Amino acid sequence: DAKTTQPNSMESNEEEPVHLPCNHSTISGTDYIHWYRQLPSQGPEYVIHGLTSNVNNRMASLAIAEDRKSSTLILHRATLRDAAVYYCILRDDNAGNMLTFGGGTRLMVKP
Amino acid sequence: DGGITQSPKYLFRKEGQNVTLSCEQNLNHDAMYWYRQDPGQGLRLIYYSQIVNDFQKGDIAEGYSVSREKKESFPLTVTSAQKNPTAFYLCASSIEVFTYEQYFGPGTRLTVT
Repeated sequence: DAKTTQPNSMESNEEEPVHLPCNHSTISGTDYIHWYRQLPSQGPEYVIHGLTSNVNNRMASLAIAEDRKSSTLILHRATLRDAAVYYCILRDDNAGNMLTFGGGTRLMVKP
Repeated sequence: DGGITQSPKYLFRKEGQNVTLSCEQNLNHDAMYWYRQDPGQGLRLIYYSQIVNDFQKGDIAEGYSVSREKKESFPLTVTSAQKNPTAFYLCASSIEVFTYEQYFGPGTRLTVT
């Protein structure tokens, strides 16, 4: 199974951009990169996903390295409500694997 | 509003008792899932269901059972055979089992003493 590596925790100041890194050096050509986040005492929520190209949506941007061995989730202006655990997950579109959640990165946002 | 509901939010049981956790969705999704989360850990898949009357074991199915008699409902029973049942249980659904976006419920925190 392809695995991801994320820092355990990161800090950011409110209204500043946040770059959350994820390494996935064993990624295969059919693995999609997904990001979910989990606010305290809640279920996870989908943030964004991509395969090769950078992706943008209303919540965040996903920057994928050219060799696909790493990616970065970008929150353009962090708010206090963005404090959560962010999970970077690989899903093999061909194998139909379920989402496998690792430990994630705990993002703390300071006012 | 469409979504997933789990009830109750907190549940307390004595050791040796079976307990059933409720999960209902009105999103018209075919696929449903149960995950377990322990403090400071990621989620682990217990069971999933692709369609009514069908379900498959996930990574940690031992000590758990499920049913899928209706599209909207996917209850999870934590049996007395589950050695460490105290955890946060999350239900999710998706349009199909292999689609990218799963919608999660608010979770049920089960404490067994």
